[in-house]
Amino acid sequence: GAVVSQHPSRVICKSGTSVKIECRSLDFQATTMFWYRQFPKQSLMLMATSNEGSKATYEQGVEKDKFLINHASLTLSTLTVTSAHPEDSSFYICSARRGGTDTQYFGPGTRLTVL
Amino acid sequence: GENVEQHPSTLSVQEGDSAVIKCTYSDSASNYFPWYKQELGKRPQLIIDIRSNVGEKKDQRIAVTLNKTAKHFSLHITETQPEDSAVYFCAARGNNAGNMLTFGGGTRLMVKP
Repeated sequence: GAVVSQHPSRVICKSGTSVKIECRSLDFQATTMFWYRQFPKQSLMLMATSNEGSKATYEQGVEKDKFLINHASLTLSTLTVTSAHPEDSSFYICSARRGGTDTQYFGPGTRLTVL
Repeated sequence: GENVEQHPSTLSVQEGDSAVIKCTYSDSASNYFPWYKQELGKRPQLIIDIRSNVGEKKDQRIAVTLNKTAKHFSLHITETQPEDSAVYFCAARGNNAGNMLTFGGGTRLMVKP
């Protein structure tokens, strides 16, 4: 159990467009989901924490109007990169945590390339 | 907030040897310390975790030790195999309401056959 999926796995878009990434917990209810960004050969940088039914909590330096997060259900969270620019190109990974537990399970990631 | 330092950044060992990766954390209230393995282009996979009420935990060839006084924890891999080659991340959950993890910088482990 504890499978997390992410879609799409890879996306290429033009500068100025918006891209939506979905994160789903397939076999458990995730009260909390996390969104990370990972640059090549670097660690995971937490962008925001989202709890089902409430507004996301963004880390310092992360623009909430640029990275829109919605956690509408216990199995789905979405990250929308608005007006994407080449510097937004990165590997975005979500994770999900079952309520009352410690473990975060990661999705497979989405590689975003903005031309 | 929490700060996690991880060493070494790269580690090369011969197959069959042991590998040790060390992490230190800053928040004395941290109570949960997972280790993740990430292969190239793939998702981080939890390999072992430890809570602050335990000093050591072992799972086959993998063990983790925690020293709360010194605020450091270590991952030990014995009898390393080529398939252990990956990037390993430690993390700590500090005193925060969001159950957020702070990750170390990662260690690239290379096991030479």
